[in-house]
Amino acid sequence: NAGVTQTPKFRILKIGQSMTLQCAQDMNHNYMYWYRQDPGMGLKLIYYSVGAGITDKGEVPNGYNVSRSTTEDFPLRLELAAPSQTSVYFCASSYNGVDQPQHFGDGTRLSIL
Amino acid sequence: EDQVTQSPEALRLQEGESSSLNCSYTVSGLRGLFWYRQDPGKGPEFLFTLYSAGEEKEKERLKATLTKKESFLHITAPKPEDSATYLCAVPSNAGKSTFGDGTTLTVKP
Repeated sequence: NAGVTQTPKFRILKIGQSMTLQCAQDMNHNYMYWYRQDPGMGLKLIYYSVGAGITDKGEVPNGYNVSRSTTEDFPLRLELAAPSQTSVYFCASSYNGVDQPQHFGDGTRLSIL
Repeated sequence: EDQVTQSPEALRLQEGESSSLNCSYTVSGLRGLFWYRQDPGKGPEFLFTLYSAGEEKEKERLKATLTKKESFLHITAPKPEDSATYLCAVPSNAGKSTFGDGTTLTVKP
């Protein structure tokens, strides 16, 4: 099984550019999550989804947007990139999010210059 | 609001020197506690789930235990390949998890 696949692995953006970070899972999980992790820091939840068509904000949603049109895919959109969005972004999925663990992708390393 | 605090932030051990990592939590109702391992440049990898106080889980040199207020990750006779950041997390009934900031373990040969 591929698990959770994130693309791209690395990206450099200029201030003001836009991009979409892709996330796909093949485990038929209902719950999906986007986190950012700054160097030496913990995970901060950006957005999450409990199923196709349903999304909700986490603790740091400003500057980001998400959509969930299928169970498998959960893309994260940055509309106007800012240096403060330089980080490593992790996507995760879980069967039910409550008593089942999350499974993570290997991250997208994003630099905004 | 759920809270998770991990200590110490960093731990340096000699190979073979056993120790424990702590995860203290405050939740409105414990639905479980997860331990993850994160290697540099990788996403967290699931290790254990503990559901109730008194429960223990083991995997190789790692043993996780749970009380009503905290969890411990005991590392017995660690090897350099056990070097990583260890994260704990508690899930909420909304399907989100609150993660601790992790303990970075370095095991010197």
